[in-house]
Amino acid sequence: QVQLQESGPGLVKPSQTLSLTCTVSGGSISSVNYYWSWIRQPAGKGLEWIGRFYTSGTTDYNPSLKSRVTISADTSKNEFSLRLSSVTAADTAVYYCARVAFNTALAVDYWGQGALVTVSS
Amino acid sequence: EIVLTQSPGTLSLSPGERATLSCRASQSVVSSYFAWYQQKPGQAPRLLIYGASSRATGIPDRFSGSGSGTDFTLTISRLEPEDFAVYYCQQYGDSPPWTFGQGTKVEVK
Repeated sequence: QVQLQESGPGLVKPSQTLSLTCTVSGGSISSVNYYWSWIRQPAGKGLEWIGRFYTSGTTDYNPSLKSRVTISADTSKNEFSLRLSSVTAADTAVYYCARVAFNTALAVDYWGQGALVTVSS
Repeated sequence: EIVLTQSPGTLSLSPGERATLSCRASQSVVSSYFAWYQQKPGQAPRLLIYGASSRATGIPDRFSGSGSGTDFTLTISRLEPEDFAVYYCQQYGDSPPWTFGQGTKVEVK
């Protein structure tokens, strides 16, 4: 059974960098069959796709966040990470890591439980 | 960016009734790359439908998806108590960003 688990600080100061890690178990982030993504959801609001990582090293980002976002991976730890710089209160949200599968036509088939990150001084 | 607009915002129905949820795209979407998710309070979303009409693993057959181009529909044939939740559509075409609709809440009437 695939499991994804987000970890990282729950509180970040404005203008600083938000950093989260997703640890994957039950599957390899080196697999050619999946993308690995970050998606966020402000409280009471909808979902926003942040970006994705592929084992080849390819990354794609939401253009609205592209200048501030970096997604990277550590295959030795089977983890991938999100860095979002210059955060503001508008970046306060639950952040989900997720697996995007080719055999579900690139839909998200597994989600982490989510990590609440609050941007506040 | 493709904008997805879901309607209605809230659907008030009773258990056993049929639910029809709509998602309209601002431009044509490749049907292969369209999905529906269910989200309950405090939980991550769950994949229901991918490729516009294929049920994900373990999803009951009372859930069905249809549509193409700019208009897509999620139908729940007979609402069970556990189906009351928020539903999101998503498109994931060739170019980012992959976008979600704003959600439809199915609540108990």
